[in-house]
Amino acid sequence: KQEVTQIPAALSVPEGENLVLNCSFTDSAIYNLQWFRQDPGKGLTSLLLIQSSQREQTSGRLNASLDKSSGRSTLYIAASQPGDSATYLCAPYTSGSRLTFGEGTQLTVNP
Amino acid sequence: GAVVSQHPSRVICKSGTSVKIECRSLDFQATTMFWYRQFPKQSLMLMATSNEGSKATYEQGVEKDKFLINHASLTLSTLTVTSAHPEDSSFYICSASIGSGGGLGWDTQYFGPGTRLTVL
Repeated sequence: KQEVTQIPAALSVPEGENLVLNCSFTDSAIYNLQWFRQDPGKGLTSLLLIQSSQREQTSGRLNASLDKSSGRSTLYIAASQPGDSATYLCAPYTSGSRLTFGEGTQLTVNP
Repeated sequence: GAVVSQHPSRVICKSGTSVKIECRSLDFQATTMFWYRQFPKQSLMLMATSNEGSKATYEQGVEKDKFLINHASLTLSTLTVTSAHPEDSSFYICSASIGSGGGLGWDTQYFGPGTRLTVL
């Protein structure tokens, strides 16, 4: 059974800092891995999808890396802004398009 | 593209009543749809997976007679919470996938905006 752990559980930083959010998973037999953002009381917004053959994906100030063999993924946020405040969820795909979510990292960026 | 809608976005009902939540893929055909539940300050937990035209596969611990799932077409799946009780109050999110499995890029899940259910 896939288990996903995200560290830290919560993070509060001043605006402008570069951030690293960590995700680890127990079953390395994954296909893809996806990072999401969730605002309070809202649904999920997909940020980045990394396919198993890739090592990283970039979108704007976001960069996600994937190391399948060690069961780790990292989301890097550059020059953080107050609008980045949200919960960030990591979710690897296993067989049957099955997604397993971590508990998330709750990020607060203070102006 | 790849938009998924849910209706209603919010519902309040009395204990003992049944509530139906719709999940629609608006611009693609969804072979597979997933239903998740999220309690406050917790992550998403998969409840069931449904493929069009066949019975849903429920996760361990999810009562299939309480949470009825129908995936009647390639664009619509419904979740009915039968005889709802206050402990069923939660945020329900659906997702849809073009593929039926196999791990290719087109297996990406596209998420709906969620439905907030409150049972009084």
